[in-house]
Amino acid sequence: DIVMTQSPDSLAVSLGERATINCKSSQTVLNNSNNKNSLAWYQQKPGQPPKLLIYWASTRESGVPDRFSGSGSGTDFTLTISSLQAEDVAVYYCQQYYNTPQRTFGQGTKVEIK
Amino acid sequence: QVQLVQSGAEVRTPGASVKVSCKASGYTFTVYYLHWVRQAPGQGLEWMGRMNPNSGGANYAQKFQGRVTLTRDTSISTAYMELTSLSSDDTAVYYCVRDRIGDRPGMDVWGQGTTVTVSS
Repeated sequence: DIVMTQSPDSLAVSLGERATINCKSSQTVLNNSNNKNSLAWYQQKPGQPPKLLIYWASTRESGVPDRFSGSGSGTDFTLTISSLQAEDVAVYYCQQYYNTPQRTFGQGTKVEIK
Repeated sequence: QVQLVQSGAEVRTPGASVKVSCKASGYTFTVYYLHWVRQAPGQGLEWMGRMNPNSGGANYAQKFQGRVTLTRDTSISTAYMELTSLSSDDTAVYYCVRDRIGDRPGMDVWGQGTTVTVSS
């Protein structure tokens, strides 16, 4: 099984400042067939189901603000919120879909306002 | 609009079984795989399995093999997740999730969640 490990477990960022979340997979999730990374990011606000933010490690889902960006390749990935807004308070999860149909999630990173 | 609507909260005693339903609307039910993901109180997301609504075939996480069964009724665009031999560790919110594959992969539509409480 591919294990996904996020860091940090939580972070507090001032409004308008940058938030950075890291995700590391226990093996590569880079597909040789299309040279894309099978890595997604989700946002979960309290009392709500998760919401898809990014797929292929760096492609924003339709409607997601451009302050959210994803980067990385192979085993190391990053989700960046360039200018934190109050509505971004949530738990963020990375997920691999390389080992389909199996899906594994990171443990989650809680983002709060400082 | 595209949505997945799940059945209501359930309370079970240890050793019992539970069956949660997930009704799809706004899209062709048989075109998209459906996953089931659960979340224990205050915990992260845990993948349980995936079903192909067209064929009825399913794949399960090793952890749940033998205890979970995914089925569907295409005539009413509804998927089901049955979990047996419940223990307190199965207390969680259970989500059905649409899987968008191909050029834009991702779990793009989530049900509202069904809370299952296992308590004696």
